[in-house]
Amino acid sequence: AQTVTQSQPEMSVQEAETVTLSCTYDTSESDYYLFWYKQPPSRQMILVIRQEAYKQQNATENRFSVNFQKAAKSFSLKISDSQLGDAAMYFCAYRSATSGTYKYIFGTGTRLKVLA
Amino acid sequence: EPEVTQTPSHQVTQMGQEVILRCVPISNHLYFYWYRQILGQKVEFLVSFYNNEISEKSEIFDDQFSVERPDGSNFTLKIRSTKLEDSAMYFCASRGASGRHKNIQYFGAGTRLSVL
Repeated sequence: AQTVTQSQPEMSVQEAETVTLSCTYDTSESDYYLFWYKQPPSRQMILVIRQEAYKQQNATENRFSVNFQKAAKSFSLKISDSQLGDAAMYFCAYRSATSGTYKYIFGTGTRLKVLA
Repeated sequence: EPEVTQTPSHQVTQMGQEVILRCVPISNHLYFYWYRQILGQKVEFLVSFYNNEISEKSEIFDDQFSVERPDGSNFTLKIRSTKLEDSAMYFCASRGASGRHKNIQYFGAGTRLSVL
Protein backbone atom coordinates (compact mmCIF):
# COMPACT_ATOMS: atom_id res chain seq x y z
CA ALA A 1 0.00 0.00 0.00
CA GLN A 2 1.12 3.51 -0.69
CA THR A 3 2.07 5.86 2.11
CA VAL A 4 2.92 9.53 2.29
CA THR A 5 5.09 11.01 5.02
CA GLN A 6 5.53 14.64 5.97
CA SER A 7 8.16 14.70 8.68
CA GLN A 8 7.84 18.38 9.58
CA PRO A 9 4.72 19.07 11.67
CA GLU A 10 5.53 22.77 11.73
CA MET A 11 7.84 25.15 9.92
CA SER A 12 8.51 28.86 10.20
CA VAL A 13 9.89 31.27 7.63
CA GLN A 14 10.60 34.96 7.60
CA GLU A 15 8.61 37.00 5.16
CA ALA A 16 10.41 37.25 1.79
CA GLU A 17 12.60 34.25 2.58
CA THR A 18 12.49 30.77 1.05
CA VAL A 19 11.25 27.65 2.76
CA THR A 20 11.17 24.01 1.72
CA LEU A 21 8.56 21.55 2.94
CA SER A 22 9.44 17.89 2.77
CA CYS A 23 7.36 14.97 1.56
CA THR A 24 8.36 11.40 0.96
CA TYR A 25 6.20 8.60 -0.28
CA ASP A 26 6.32 4.89 -0.77
CA THR A 27 4.88 3.09 -3.76
CA SER A 28 5.65 0.23 -6.08
CA GLU A 29 3.86 1.93 -8.95
CA SER A 30 5.67 3.72 -11.72
CA ASP A 31 2.92 6.08 -12.80
CA TYR A 32 1.19 8.37 -10.34
CA TYR A 33 0.42 11.97 -9.48
CA LEU A 34 1.70 14.01 -6.59
CA PHE A 35 0.04 17.11 -5.21
CA TRP A 36 0.62 19.87 -2.71
CA TYR A 37 -2.50 21.39 -1.22
CA LYS A 38 -2.69 24.46 0.98
CA GLN A 39 -5.32 24.89 3.66
CA PRO A 40 -5.59 28.33 5.25
CA PRO A 41 -7.35 28.42 8.63
CA SER A 42 -11.04 27.55 8.30
CA ARG A 43 -10.80 27.54 4.53
CA GLN A 44 -10.87 24.85 1.91
CA MET A 45 -7.83 23.00 0.68
CA ILE A 46 -6.53 24.63 -2.47
CA LEU A 47 -4.28 22.95 -4.99
CA VAL A 48 -0.86 24.58 -5.01
CA ILE A 49 0.98 22.43 -7.49
CA ARG A 50 0.94 18.98 -9.02
CA GLN A 51 3.46 16.70 -10.63
CA GLU A 52 2.97 13.77 -12.97
CA ALA A 53 5.47 11.05 -12.19
CA TYR A 54 6.28 10.43 -15.84
CA LYS A 55 7.49 14.01 -16.23
CA GLN A 56 11.09 14.54 -15.31
CA GLN A 57 10.79 18.29 -15.25
CA ASN A 58 9.90 19.75 -11.88
CA ALA A 59 6.58 21.59 -11.79
CA THR A 60 6.53 25.29 -11.00
CA GLU A 61 3.70 27.71 -10.29
CA ASN A 62 4.88 31.25 -9.74
CA ARG A 63 6.64 31.30 -6.35
CA PHE A 64 5.99 27.60 -5.77
CA SER A 65 8.18 24.86 -7.16
CA VAL A 66 8.81 21.24 -6.41
CA ASN A 67 11.89 19.10 -6.26
CA PHE A 68 10.68 15.73 -7.52
CA GLN A 69 13.17 12.94 -7.00
CA LYS A 70 11.45 9.82 -8.32
CA ALA A 71 14.17 7.36 -7.41
CA ALA A 72 14.33 8.71 -3.87
CA LYS A 73 10.53 8.98 -3.71
CA SER A 74 10.78 12.54 -2.54
CA PHE A 75 8.54 15.47 -3.44
CA SER A 76 9.46 18.66 -1.63
CA LEU A 77 7.77 22.03 -2.04
CA LYS A 78 9.80 25.21 -2.21
CA ILE A 79 8.12 28.52 -1.53
CA SER A 80 10.15 31.51 -2.61
CA ASP A 81 9.67 35.08 -1.43
CA SER A 82 7.30 33.92 1.32
CA GLN A 83 4.30 36.09 1.99
CA LEU A 84 2.04 36.37 5.03
CA GLY A 85 -0.74 34.83 2.98
CA ASP A 86 1.30 31.65 2.59
CA ALA A 87 0.66 30.80 6.23
CA ALA A 88 -1.41 27.63 6.17
CA MET A 89 -1.38 23.88 6.59
CA TYR A 90 0.25 22.21 3.62
CA PHE A 91 -0.67 18.66 2.64
CA CYS A 92 1.23 16.40 0.30
CA ALA A 93 -0.91 13.84 -1.53
CA TYR A 94 -0.42 10.87 -3.82
CA ARG A 95 -2.78 9.44 -6.40
CA SER A 96 -2.24 6.33 -8.45
CA ALA A 97 -2.46 6.68 -12.21
CA THR A 98 -2.63 2.98 -12.89
CA SER A 99 -4.81 1.23 -10.37
CA GLY A 100 -8.11 2.76 -11.43
CA THR A 101 -8.56 4.50 -8.13
CA TYR A 102 -8.81 8.25 -7.87
CA LYS A 103 -8.50 8.42 -4.11
CA TYR A 104 -5.81 10.57 -2.63
CA ILE A 105 -3.39 9.34 -0.02
CA PHE A 106 -2.35 12.20 2.21
CA GLY A 107 0.46 13.00 4.58
CA THR A 108 -0.21 14.44 8.03
CA GLY A 109 0.47 17.99 6.92
CA THR A 110 2.97 20.71 7.74
CA ARG A 111 1.84 23.91 9.38
CA LEU A 112 3.72 26.86 7.91
CA LYS A 113 4.06 30.06 9.88
CA VAL A 114 5.25 33.20 8.14
CA LEU A 115 6.92 35.73 10.39
CA ALA A 116 6.70 39.42 9.60
CA GLU B 1 -14.01 30.69 -8.87
CA PRO B 2 -16.37 27.78 -8.14
CA GLU B 3 -16.03 26.26 -4.70
CA VAL B 4 -17.09 23.16 -2.85
CA THR B 5 -19.29 24.22 0.04
CA GLN B 6 -19.75 22.23 3.23
CA THR B 7 -22.28 22.76 5.98
CA PRO B 8 -22.25 23.02 8.90
CA SER B 9 -18.71 24.10 9.69
CA HIS B 10 -19.01 22.52 13.13
CA GLN B 11 -21.45 19.84 14.25
CA VAL B 12 -21.77 18.71 17.84
CA THR B 13 -23.73 15.56 18.56
CA GLN B 14 -24.31 13.01 21.26
CA MET B 15 -22.96 9.50 20.92
CA GLY B 16 -25.48 7.25 19.23
CA GLN B 17 -27.18 10.04 17.33
CA GLU B 18 -27.41 10.23 13.56
CA VAL B 19 -25.68 13.07 11.75
CA ILE B 20 -25.79 14.23 8.17
CA LEU B 21 -22.95 16.23 6.77
CA ARG B 22 -23.75 18.23 3.68
CA CYS B 23 -21.71 19.21 0.68
CA VAL B 24 -22.46 21.15 -2.46
CA PRO B 25 -19.89 20.10 -5.06
CA ILE B 26 -18.84 22.24 -8.00
CA SER B 27 -21.78 22.28 -10.35
CA ASN B 28 -20.44 20.47 -13.41
CA HIS B 29 -18.44 17.89 -11.48
CA LEU B 30 -19.43 14.24 -11.63
CA TYR B 31 -17.16 12.54 -9.10
CA PHE B 32 -17.54 13.07 -5.38
CA TYR B 33 -15.49 12.09 -2.38
CA TRP B 34 -15.48 12.13 1.39
CA TYR B 35 -12.33 12.15 3.48
CA ARG B 36 -11.82 12.57 7.18
CA GLN B 37 -9.01 13.70 9.44
CA ILE B 38 -8.90 12.72 13.08
CA LEU B 39 -7.03 15.35 15.05
CA GLY B 40 -3.29 14.93 14.63
CA GLN B 41 -3.64 12.14 12.10
CA LYS B 42 -3.61 11.87 8.34
CA VAL B 43 -6.43 12.83 6.05
CA GLU B 44 -8.01 9.48 5.16
CA PHE B 45 -10.14 8.49 2.20
CA LEU B 46 -13.64 7.30 3.04
CA VAL B 47 -15.62 6.91 -0.16
CA SER B 48 -15.95 7.93 -3.78
CA PHE B 49 -19.24 8.30 -5.61
CA TYR B 50 -20.10 8.46 -9.27
CA ASN B 51 -23.29 8.05 -11.26
CA ASN B 52 -25.32 7.55 -8.08
CA GLU B 53 -23.18 4.68 -6.92
CA ILE B 54 -20.30 4.14 -4.59
CA SER B 55 -17.29 3.48 -6.79
CA GLU B 56 -14.80 2.85 -4.02
CA LYS B 57 -14.77 2.81 -0.24
CA SER B 58 -12.22 2.29 2.47
CA GLU B 59 -12.37 -0.08 5.40
CA ILE B 60 -13.39 2.88 7.57
CA PHE B 61 -16.61 3.24 5.58
CA ASP B 62 -18.62 0.54 7.31
CA ASP B 63 -22.37 0.00 7.58
CA GLN B 64 -22.71 3.02 9.86
CA PHE B 65 -21.85 5.29 6.96
CA SER B 66 -23.84 6.07 3.85
CA VAL B 67 -23.68 8.62 1.09
CA GLU B 68 -26.35 10.08 -1.09
CA ARG B 69 -26.90 12.61 -3.79
CA PRO B 70 -30.51 13.45 -2.99
CA ASP B 71 -30.87 16.09 -5.66
CA GLY B 72 -28.81 17.67 -8.40
CA SER B 73 -26.66 19.75 -6.10
CA ASN B 74 -26.12 18.15 -2.70
CA PHE B 75 -23.88 15.28 -1.69
CA THR B 76 -24.35 14.01 1.85
CA LEU B 77 -22.55 11.76 4.29
CA LYS B 78 -24.69 10.15 6.96
CA ILE B 79 -23.41 8.47 10.08
CA ARG B 80 -26.24 6.43 11.57
CA SER B 81 -25.12 6.00 15.15
CA THR B 82 -22.15 8.16 15.97
CA LYS B 83 -19.30 6.95 18.13
CA LEU B 84 -16.71 8.95 20.02
CA GLU B 85 -14.09 7.88 17.49
CA ASP B 86 -16.08 9.46 14.66
CA SER B 87 -14.99 12.85 15.97
CA ALA B 88 -12.95 14.30 13.13
CA MET B 89 -12.84 16.87 10.37
CA TYR B 90 -14.76 15.62 7.36
CA PHE B 91 -13.80 16.91 3.92
CA CYS B 92 -15.89 16.71 0.80
CA ALA B 93 -14.26 16.88 -2.63
CA SER B 94 -15.41 16.85 -6.22
CA ARG B 95 -13.76 16.32 -9.57
CA GLY B 96 -14.64 17.02 -13.16
CA ALA B 97 -14.76 14.36 -15.86
CA SER B 98 -12.68 15.98 -18.53
CA GLY B 99 -10.20 18.66 -19.33
CA ARG B 100 -6.86 19.51 -17.83
CA HIS B 101 -8.34 19.54 -14.33
CA LYS B 102 -9.87 16.07 -14.45
CA ASN B 103 -7.21 14.64 -12.19
CA ILE B 104 -7.64 17.34 -9.57
CA GLN B 105 -9.99 17.08 -6.63
CA TYR B 106 -11.44 20.30 -5.28
CA PHE B 107 -12.06 20.33 -1.56
CA GLY B 108 -14.45 22.04 0.78
CA ALA B 109 -13.40 23.70 4.03
CA GLY B 110 -14.57 20.73 6.05
CA THR B 111 -17.08 20.00 8.79
CA ARG B 112 -15.71 19.45 12.25
CA LEU B 113 -17.75 16.72 13.90
CA SER B 114 -17.57 16.50 17.68
CA VAL B 115 -19.20 13.45 19.27
CA LEU B 116 -19.79 13.80 23.00
